Amino acid sequence: GAVVSQHPSRVICKSGTSVKIECRSLDFQATTMFWYRQFPKQSLMLMATSNEGSKATYEQGVEKDKFLINHASLTLSTLTVTSAHPEDSSFYICSASSRDRVRDEKLFFGSGTQLSVL
Amino acid sequence: AQKITQTQPGMFVQEKEAVTLDCTYDTSDPSYGLFWYKQPSSGEMIFLIYQGSYDQQNATEGRYSLNFQKARKSANLVISASQLGDSAMYFCAMREGLWTGGFKTIFGAGTRLFVKA
Repeated sequence: GAVVSQHPSRVICKSGTSVKIECRSLDFQATTMFWYRQFPKQSLMLMATSNEGSKATYEQGVEKDKFLINHASLTLSTLTVTSAHPEDSSFYICSASSRDRVRDEKLFFGSGTQLSVL
Repeated sequence: AQKITQTQPGMFVQEKEAVTLDCTYDTSDPSYGLFWYKQPSSGEMIFLIYQGSYDQQNATEGRYSLNFQKARKSANLVISASQLGDSAMYFCAMREGLWTGGFKTIFGAGTRLFVKA
């Protein structure tokens, strides 16, 4: 099956710093990537959808300037949490989809990043 | 409005028995897909099973089967012969607009399954 690699798996940072999370599709071209946020014992909340070479589409209530998403290539999307604060602490997980894999309707998920802001 | 509803926050099942996890959904799109994912404590999302809105038969994948009742808009997951390793969080999810290239997938609140030895 398709593999999506997400790094880092865990990051601890000081309040006010920026953190970058990478999501790579290892064996397919991810035309669309999704970023989700998950609070403890809660569901995955879609933050944004990114298409290669274009601006990300953010869900309502998600701050575009706080969560910068870049999808510069067909295999890499990054999420940067700018000026992180304790309330940004959460589990962030990316997923990828490929229009080429027409029979693969499901999403391929990265392993997630646990962000802790002190 | 909730598009995916999972009404069971937690479920207990005895090892080797079957269990049904409920999921109802709401959409006006004729082409959609329904998914179940498993999330163990490690956090990874594991795909279990998929049902397309126009699939004629209920999906099955090993011990997992999906009880798809389109008129009721329900897509319950049935796990047969439960194993201790099945203890995890289970999410029902939906992707709308399959015919129009929609890829956005939304998730229900999840059901935590506990398998007892």
